[in-house]
Amino acid sequence: DAGVIQSPRHEVTEMGQEVTLRCKPISGHNSLFWYRQTMMRGLELLIYFNNNVPIDDSGMPEDRFSAKMPNASFSTLKIQPSEPRDSAVYFCASTREHGTGGSTEAFFGQGTRLTVV
Amino acid sequence: KQEVTQIPAALSVPEGENLVLNCSFTDSAIYNLQWFRQDPGKGLTSLLLIQSSQREQTSGRLNASLDKSSGRSTLYIAASQPGDSATYLCAGWEETSGSRLTFGEGTQLTVNP
Repeated sequence: DAGVIQSPRHEVTEMGQEVTLRCKPISGHNSLFWYRQTMMRGLELLIYFNNNVPIDDSGMPEDRFSAKMPNASFSTLKIQPSEPRDSAVYFCASTREHGTGGSTEAFFGQGTRLTVV
Repeated sequence: KQEVTQIPAALSVPEGENLVLNCSFTDSAIYNLQWFRQDPGKGLTSLLLIQSSQREQTSGRLNASLDKSSGRSTLYIAASQPGDSATYLCAGWEETSGSRLTFGEGTQLTVNP
């Protein structure tokens, strides 16, 4: 398997523009997570999907952020309008069942480095 | 709210040394714990997953333990190599509104040749 695939790898955009980040989870995984990583705050969970349904979006910073998962193989994270403080690395992760008892192991994509100028 | 703490924040050792990275968590509701490695500018690579029913996992020179009663996990690296230089992150899985993976801030490891 190619692993979790994110695009683009780098994005530079001007303040106020719309930004769309994309993620393809590992085939067969049924949970998908969006994380944001910054030097100041480390890794923060933004939103979590299970079977394409958003379960926990309490980490989404504000209404400018939205995420969708129209099917099991694709998810998007959109920022509209973007602001300089949104500059960060955004990671997508997917999980599979590991062993018995419903336990899970997360696999991460390579991330999208977003710079808003 | 779950908090995950990693000590030390940075560690520099000579090649060949055995070392231990520490991770502590505040809520025993964590049911699994996962260790990751992150190289500069890269994504996170899963190293070991310790399930709730287990106390440790081993992969090559790496050994991770989990003690839920004390809220601690350790990652032991034997015979360290310069290629082990990276940031090591621990993360606890907790069952809240669905599953949630909470990360520590990481330990930046440098292994000097």
